Amino acid sequence: GAGVSQSPSNKVTEKGKDVELRCDPISGHTALYWYRQRLGQGLEFLIYFQGNSAPDKSGLPSDRFSAERTGESVSTLTIQRTQQEDSAVYLCASSSTGAALHFGNGTRLTVT
Amino acid sequence: KQEVTQIPAALSVPEGENLVLNCSFTDSAIYNLQWFRQDPGKGLTSLLLIQSSQREQTSGRLNASLDKSSGRSTLYIAASQPGDSATYLCAVSLISSGSARQLTFGSGTQLTVLP
Repeated sequence: GAGVSQSPSNKVTEKGKDVELRCDPISGHTALYWYRQRLGQGLEFLIYFQGNSAPDKSGLPSDRFSAERTGESVSTLTIQRTQQEDSAVYLCASSSTGAALHFGNGTRLTVT
Repeated sequence: KQEVTQIPAALSVPEGENLVLNCSFTDSAIYNLQWFRQDPGKGLTSLLLIQSSQREQTSGRLNASLDKSSGRSTLYIAASQPGDSATYLCAVSLISSGSARQLTFGSGTQLTVLP
């Protein structure tokens, strides 16, 4: 079946602009995660959604970052007033409760 | 705060060799542990998931073990092939308050299998 889909696959934006990244999880997966991976570095947790529970936003690096998810469907990660330090690959993953995570191919964000 | 460490950071072996990748974590109150591989420019592919009540999981040439008390997991790859070349990441899910469980990733082991 279809895996986790992320769009766009690549995004180049100017410093100060807002960007919106999209994640379509696997159908039926209640959990959805966003991670950030800077070049040559490990994965950095951003935010976690589980069903209708309040999201775990503890990983969001600043108030410029926000994410939404409606029910158990699509999620969007929004970065306002982008900075060069925001350049990274943003990875989305979904899972059934307690099961293995399935990752999308990520969105490569470049802030010029 | 959970910390996950992977040793070695990089490993190069000849084709056909058996190898072991190591992962250690500081907080033993884990929900599960997962091993992934990441190919350059790609997302992560799940390899094995071990629940906290399990000791090991096997899939093909891969075997992952879990020792919660010592805070360690190993990924054993038998008869390595050039196609196994990738970065291998382990990630630990903690039992945290409420229903949210976030994964903490190690920094990975970059494996190169030489033909």
